[in-house]
Amino acid sequence: NAGVTQTPKFRILKIGQSMTLQCTQDMNHNYMYWYRQDPGMGLKLIYYSVGAGITDKGEVPNGYNVSRSTTEDFPLRLELAAPSQTSVYFCASSLGNEQFFGPGTRLTVL
Amino acid sequence: GENVEQHPSTLSVQEGDSAVIKCTYSDSASNYFPWYKQELGKGPQLIIDIRSNVGEKKDQRIAVTLNKTAKHFSLHITETQPEDSAVYFCAAPPPSGSARQLTFGSGTQLTVLP
Repeated sequence: NAGVTQTPKFRILKIGQSMTLQCTQDMNHNYMYWYRQDPGMGLKLIYYSVGAGITDKGEVPNGYNVSRSTTEDFPLRLELAAPSQTSVYFCASSLGNEQFFGPGTRLTVL
Repeated sequence: GENVEQHPSTLSVQEGDSAVIKCTYSDSASNYFPWYKQELGKGPQLIIDIRSNVGEKKDQRIAVTLNKTAKHFSLHITETQPEDSAVYFCAAPPPSGSARQLTFGSGTQLTVLP
């Protein structure tokens, strides 16, 4: 099993651009999550999903959108990138309480 | 929502010594407390967790203790080794009790000096 994979690893965006961060898991987990991690801070939950077709907001959802059309994929969409969205983004999945994290995407908005 | 505070933010210990990281939480109804380890350039990984019906849990050199009255839980690492150097995060679920929506502490950078 590859576990949780994320693409791209790095990305630089200009203010106002849009992009999609991809996340795929091959463990058949129902739950999937998107977090952002700012320097010196813990992980903040952006959105999560309890299964295909069901998503809900986390602590910091503004400026982001998600969709969950399949069990495996949970893409995160940034529509109008802002400097405040410069961060490292982690996708995770779980079946029980343990969350399995991907390697992260480092995003810089200039 | 849940408020989780973690201390210290950085911790340096000599190899072989013990390390202790402490977290406090705000909601007395919280019932699940995991600890995650994040190595440089990687995503966090669960290393140990504890439920509110027990006061202590051990796994080899790692232990977690829980004080429900004081609303704090701690990670204890004994006989530290260089590979223990990483950032450690505690977490707790929100008042609704779902362990899916964890609130993470701000992290502790542990450095084990050879």
